[in-house]
Amino acid sequence: SQQGEEDPQALSIQEGENATMNCSYKTSINNLQWYRQNSGRGLVHLILIRSNEREKHSGRLRVTLDTSKKSSSLLITASRAADTASYFCATIGGTSYGKLTFGQGTILTVHP
Amino acid sequence: KAGVTQTPRYLIKTRGQQVTLSCSPISGHRSVSWYQQTPGQGLQFLFEYFSETQRNKGNFPGRFSGRQFSNSRSEMNVSTLELGDSALYLCASSLVTASSTDTQYFGPGTRLTVL
Repeated sequence: SQQGEEDPQALSIQEGENATMNCSYKTSINNLQWYRQNSGRGLVHLILIRSNEREKHSGRLRVTLDTSKKSSSLLITASRAADTASYFCATIGGTSYGKLTFGQGTILTVHP
Repeated sequence: KAGVTQTPRYLIKTRGQQVTLSCSPISGHRSVSWYQQTPGQGLQFLFEYFSETQRNKGNFPGRFSGRQFSNSRSEMNVSTLELGDSALYLCASSLVTASSTDTQYFGPGTRLTVL
């Protein structure tokens, strides 16, 4: 079963706009990771945020984590058509060795 | 470093057959995890191996099995294939430190179609 929900399920924007995706989870975590997937291919790791961190940046990506609300958000600034993909959050917690629990994903479409 | 590699990339099998998928992790990574991705169920964890030992297993029937070799390469096997086993199978490797499990790096996946 999935760890939680991602919101929205689909997002359509124009190039240059910002895209925000949200993720909620149910149990305590060690860290939360965001991945991108293009057209049913492998997952590309974007960013990892640990449970004791509140915000992290990587290039045009900004991730926040609120453990009290069990939620995270991914912001992509100045989006490009190449950002079109599915985005997944994944959590790992406790002694769940190697077990990432994924959200359902957000399909992002960026129109040129 | 080379990334995670998976072979074969595509497979077509018929119901009742069995299949073996292979995964070579990033050099130095000792943990390998396997996932199944379907449109209906999304990404689901199958199992994880570290130093040739299965440390964690998801909620899949016994027809799904795996193993890891001393060089950290891993294989998964699905016996008595069913139509519902059609999926993208992904493996991921990570550099496991003593205190935590870090980023998982995924391979391109094996697309299995069961007819």
